[in-house]
Amino acid sequence: QVQLVQSGAEVKKPGSSVKVSCKASGGTFSSYAISWVRQAPGQGLEWMGGIIPIFGTANYAQKFQGRVTITADASTSTAYMELSSLRSEDTAVYYCARVWTRQLVYFDCLGYWGQGTLVTVSS
Amino acid sequence: QSVLTQPPSASGTPGQRVTISCSGSSSNIGSSTVNWYQQLPGTAPKLLIYSNNQRPSGVPDRFSGSKSGTSASLAISGLHSEDEADYYCAAWDDSLNGWVFGGGTKLTVL
Repeated sequence: QVQLVQSGAEVKKPGSSVKVSCKASGGTFSSYAISWVRQAPGQGLEWMGGIIPIFGTANYAQKFQGRVTITADASTSTAYMELSSLRSEDTAVYYCARVWTRQLVYFDCLGYWGQGTLVTVSS
Repeated sequence: QSVLTQPPSASGTPGQRVTISCSGSSSNIGSSTVNWYQQLPGTAPKLLIYSNNQRPSGVPDRFSGSKSGTSASLAISGLHSEDEADYYCAAWDDSLNGWVFGGGTKLTVL
């Protein structure tokens, strides 16, 4: 069974950066797309971008272009999401999610989710 | 403002049937399949329906999905108190080249 385990909660100052990790177990890591989705307090889900580890390059939502970097390390089956120039509006729970069954595509449904990482941006 | 449109709330009594709608456009629902997620308070979203109307193993057949054109809906029959949660629709958007979600519907079991 696929499991995604994320790093712990973070408190950051405005203008700084945060890097969240997502370690996968069960199943092949490199061929399945991993996406990052965030949820601000009391709000809905928002896709930030994703990566197919075997390809190496990431696909970003336009809103986050230039501020987010998604990477993956196949040797440790871990994906990372780094968000820079943090502001208070970035306070949210950040989730990683893996596609359900199809390899090498982003558009298969997000079937496996990490437990979420709360990032709080506050001075 | 979410790309997909859902009603913010829905409600029903135990045993009733409720439906939640999700409206999109030709670049998302109109050209892709729709997935539904259930999110209980303080937990990660859980895949409830995929490919418009398919249920993952373990999801009760009380939950069903459908799609027509640029709209989709989730139906829950025989409502249980434990169905009280937030429900989100999602679809791949070919124009945005990314996932888009509805704003979520909070289901209350009265």
